[in-house]
Amino acid sequence: EVQLVQSGAEVKEPGESLKISCKVSGDSFTTYYIAWVRQMPGKGLEWMGTIHPSDSDTIYSPPFQGQVTISADKSINTAYLQWSSLKASDTAMYYCARLPTLDYWGQGTLVTVSS
Amino acid sequence: QAVVTQEPSLTVSPGGTVTLSCGSSTGTVTSGHDPYWFQQKPGQAPRTLIYDTSNKQSWTPARFSGSLLGGKAALTLSGAQPEDEAEYYCLLSYNGPRVFGGGTKLTVL
Repeated sequence: EVQLVQSGAEVKEPGESLKISCKVSGDSFTTYYIAWVRQMPGKGLEWMGTIHPSDSDTIYSPPFQGQVTISADKSINTAYLQWSSLKASDTAMYYCARLPTLDYWGQGTLVTVSS
Repeated sequence: QAVVTQEPSLTVSPGGTVTLSCGSSTGTVTSGHDPYWFQQKPGQAPRTLIYDTSNKQSWTPARFSGSLLGGKAALTLSGAQPEDEAEYYCLLSYNGPRVFGGGTKLTVL
């Protein structure tokens, strides 16, 4: 069974760095793109970008270009989403999901940024 | 970046039929936009119902169907059930980055 398991909830202060993860099991990690999706509190879904773990080919959605970094470590079947300097507006639930059919989703990682 | 538009809210009677639409600020939605439809209930991760315009996931109830209608992507629910009350999002592809619609809150009442 394919599973995408995300790292646990985080509480950070503005300006701190953060890296959250999405571990894939049950199928080939390097065959499919992984997408990251943001959902701010009480708001809709936002497409952040994708990565192909085989070669780390990454495509960012324009609003997120330069704001986050998407990466992957194929040796441990894990994709990452990271920030170098968090803002309060980064407070959101973050989901990973597997392309092309988006059939499998992670459970979400809640990131709270507050002073 | 393109803007994808959905009805903010719709209401359907139990057993009734409703069509949700998904439009693009760039013009007509085609199969090239690879339309997806997702269902999200409170406190849960989204669940994909439809991909590539009309293809269903193995778990997608038969009462849901996807199509292109009037220049937009469409999700039709025929025979609504109380458990179909949820937020529904569409997703369109623009030769690389994808964009979600703002979501439609569907009430079954």
